[in-house]
Amino acid sequence: KQEVTQIPAALSVPEGENLVLNCSFTDSAIYNLQWFRQDPGKGLTSLLLIQSSQREQTSGRLNASLDKSSGRSTLYIAASQPGDSATYLCSSGGSYIPTFGRGTSLIVHP
Amino acid sequence: KAGVTQTPRYLIKTRGQQVTLSCSPISGHRSVSWYQQTPGQGLQFLFEYFSETQRNKGNFPGRFSGRQFSNSRSEMNVSTLELGDSALYLCASSLSYTTIAKNIQYFGAGTRLSVL
Repeated sequence: KQEVTQIPAALSVPEGENLVLNCSFTDSAIYNLQWFRQDPGKGLTSLLLIQSSQREQTSGRLNASLDKSSGRSTLYIAASQPGDSATYLCSSGGSYIPTFGRGTSLIVHP
Repeated sequence: KAGVTQTPRYLIKTRGQQVTLSCSPISGHRSVSWYQQTPGQGLQFLFEYFSETQRNKGNFPGRFSGRQFSNSRSEMNVSTLELGDSALYLCASSLSYTTIAKNIQYFGAGTRLSVL
């Protein structure tokens, strides 16, 4: 059974900092790793998807990497802004059901 | 292009009742997945439908069921509601199966169900 863990559970930083959010998974036989953002009381917004054959994906200030052998993915947020405040979740996809981590709650204060 | 639409946005029910939630996927998407999100358990997969067939199912009791129509719209039903069923129910649509590597899931805003 796949287990996905996200560290840290919460993070509060001043505006402008570069951040790294971590996601680890127990079964390395994944097909993809997807990062989402969730605002309070809302649904999830897809940020980046990394297929198992890829090492990283970039979108604007976001960069996600995947290391299947070590069972880890990281989401790098450059020059954080207050609008980045949200919960960030990662999800592993494979031959099993999609499995989500509990998320990292991020607050970026001005 | 319209996103994933879930109705209703909020529901209040009492124990023992049943409830039906609706999800309209993005046009052209054939896969619809349902999730339950609670503070205690996080986001958990309920089931996935593709072309009107259930492809995958999470570890939930039989009180939770779903179906998909020929236009890809999906409904989820919960019978004999329990207090623990209070949650945010999210629907996600995608072009193909969730087990396809490049398949991106797009989520709706969710239905907030409160069971009293």
